Parts: sequence; structure tokens; C-alpha cells
Amino acid sequence: EAQVTQNPRYLITVTGKKLTVTCSQNMNHEYMSWYRQDPGLGLRQIYYSMNVEVTDKGDVPEGYKVSRKEKRNFPLILESPSPNQTSLYFCASSSSSYEQYFGPGTRLTVT
Amino acid sequence: DQQVKQNSPSLSVQEGRISILNCDYTNSMFDYFLWYKKYPAEGPTFLISISSIKDKNEDGRFTVFLNKSAKHLSLHIVPSQPGDSAVYFCAASATRAAGNKLTFGGGTRVLVKP
Repeated sequence: EAQVTQNPRYLITVTGKKLTVTCSQNMNHEYMSWYRQDPGLGLRQIYYSMNVEVTDKGDVPEGYKVSRKEKRNFPLILESPSPNQTSLYFCASSSSSYEQYFGPGTRLTVT
Repeated sequence: DQQVKQNSPSLSVQEGRISILNCDYTNSMFDYFLWYKKYPAEGPTFLISISSIKDKNEDGRFTVFLNKSAKHLSLHIVPSQPGDSAVYFCAASATRAAGNKLTFGGGTRVLVKP
């Protein structure tokens, strides 16, 4: 089954404690992105990757890091999480088309 | 400033009637538009799209209309069914946008009453 998986689905952490949210896709897609969803703002792109070892900033990259060492994986790293990073996070992948496939989401709470 | 706006945060409609969702955009470089549907605890799923060379695209009960001069698009769902109750996001992209970037609106929550 074609899918994008994310782990964990839910996470509660404290300010400053480094965390990683994993993302994996099995569709051999070149493009992968991370978005955050906040009430009234829709989804905003954090980082994206056009292929292995090729990553770039989206609209809201501050406080986040990513890496793309393998085509299928695109982890999101928060080196020092802060309360304003409390949000719902989605990983997405796509081929050359605009239609992106989204993971189920990770709800992060930073206290 | 949001480049894609959905001005109605919620919509309630009777089963069998038409649902009309609206979306406005400001960036004239956008030339491809998509609608996504999202259920609670799930990721958004692609619903329907339209290229700027068209003004209408239809897929079953779903039709998207694009008015380029007004920078406005709408999604019509006819007839509405209880399973259509979800949050709908409008999204836009520009040709050659790096990373296939999508710019999303804030979403419209649709409730279809039986």
C-alpha cells in the first residue's frame, strides 16, 4: 500500500529537549516536505527536499532542521523545542506532479 | 500576509443539497490549484485540482471553478453526503515552484446534516 508514515503520532515534551519526528514514504517520490498546521493558518511549509542530500527552507524554517540521507526518509529535527512549536505536523511526498501525499500527522505539545 | 484565503471557517448544509466552498488568492504567479479534504486524526487527502488554462474541472460529485480575473476559485459538492463532513483546504502552486510547494488556505469545516 502506497503511504507516508510518521512517528510518533503524539508527543508531549519540555522546552529545550531535542526531538526527532520521523517520516518515511514507499512511493519512490523525489519530493518531500514538512508542514505545520495551526488554527486559521492552514498548512505552512517548513522545509522541503527535492532529492537525496538536497534540502531547502520553506516559509517557516526557524527552529527546525531536516536531513535527506535516503530517498524514502525525511526526518524533522527540533534541536531546542519551544512552546511556539506546539502544532500539528505533516510530512508529505510527491513525484513531479503537484499532488502531494500526506502522512497522518504528529501532534506535538511543548510545555 | 496570507496569499490564499478561505473566508468561511465553517459551513453547514443539509444532506442532498449543494455545498459551495470559496477560496481567494492574491499571487498572480499561481497557476495550479488543488482542494484537499481532511478528516480528524488523518492527513489531508487530495480531492480535485484545476490548471489555470481551464475554468472548470469535474470529478463525480465534485466540481472546481476557477475565475482567474477575480483570483477566485470555488468547490461545489453536489449532492452533499454525511461522509463529506470534513475540513477542506484550498491550495495553490506556481509552475517551477521549488519543491512542488503548495500554499494553503486556512480551511473550511463542512458539516453535512442528515
